[in-house]
Amino acid sequence: GQQLNQSPQSMFIQEGEDVSMNCTSSSIFNTWLWYKQDPGEGPVLLIALYKAGELTSNGRLTAQFGITRKDSFLNISASIPSDVGIYFCAGWVEYGNKLVFGAGTILRVKS
Amino acid sequence: DSGVTQTPKHLITATGQRVTLRCSPRSGDLSVYWYQQSLDQGLQFLIQYYNGEERAKGNILERFSAQQFPDLHSELNLSSLELGDSALYFCASSLYRDSYTEAFFGQGTRLTVV
Repeated sequence: GQQLNQSPQSMFIQEGEDVSMNCTSSSIFNTWLWYKQDPGEGPVLLIALYKAGELTSNGRLTAQFGITRKDSFLNISASIPSDVGIYFCAGWVEYGNKLVFGAGTILRVKS
Repeated sequence: DSGVTQTPKHLITATGQRVTLRCSPRSGDLSVYWYQQSLDQGLQFLIQYYNGEERAKGNILERFSAQQFPDLHSELNLSSLELGDSALYFCASSLYRDSYTEAFFGQGTRLTVV
């Protein structure tokens, strides 16, 4: 089946640092979604990407849809304590019928 | 607030029992998805319905079943419960059935099987 490889698995960074995480696959995607999940809560949609090469920002968050359509990255600039949580990438495979999720990146921030 | 409503928020039940989890999608959304998240695990896709019809199936156990009703709300039925079924169960909804569509998640139902 389609697999999304999300990395890194976890990050422990200093407040104020920039963060970068990415997802890759051997399959071609036509939509990439990035979510954040707080403990015990449902994932919240952060950014949606629909076109290869698309670069989209949401406040301090920036995400890009890779040119090959097989990858995407999410950057968080100037991290703050409330950025702590699990970040998931997800996507629709071209000609697929399932919304596929990565395993998640656990972000911890030292203040 | 995503607009997706799940009830109940918490459920504690004994092994061997049967429970029903309910999901109301965002207004206008036709697709409903169910996901299971065990402790420190990712989101495992269970099943998707689109406008009342089953659209896609993931790793859903035979003891589990779901349906989407004419008013578009969905129910996930879990039977012959085992300790390992303890998890967070999430419902998500989207306007379309696949591709170029954003999915929005509810707050989840935490199921504890004792």
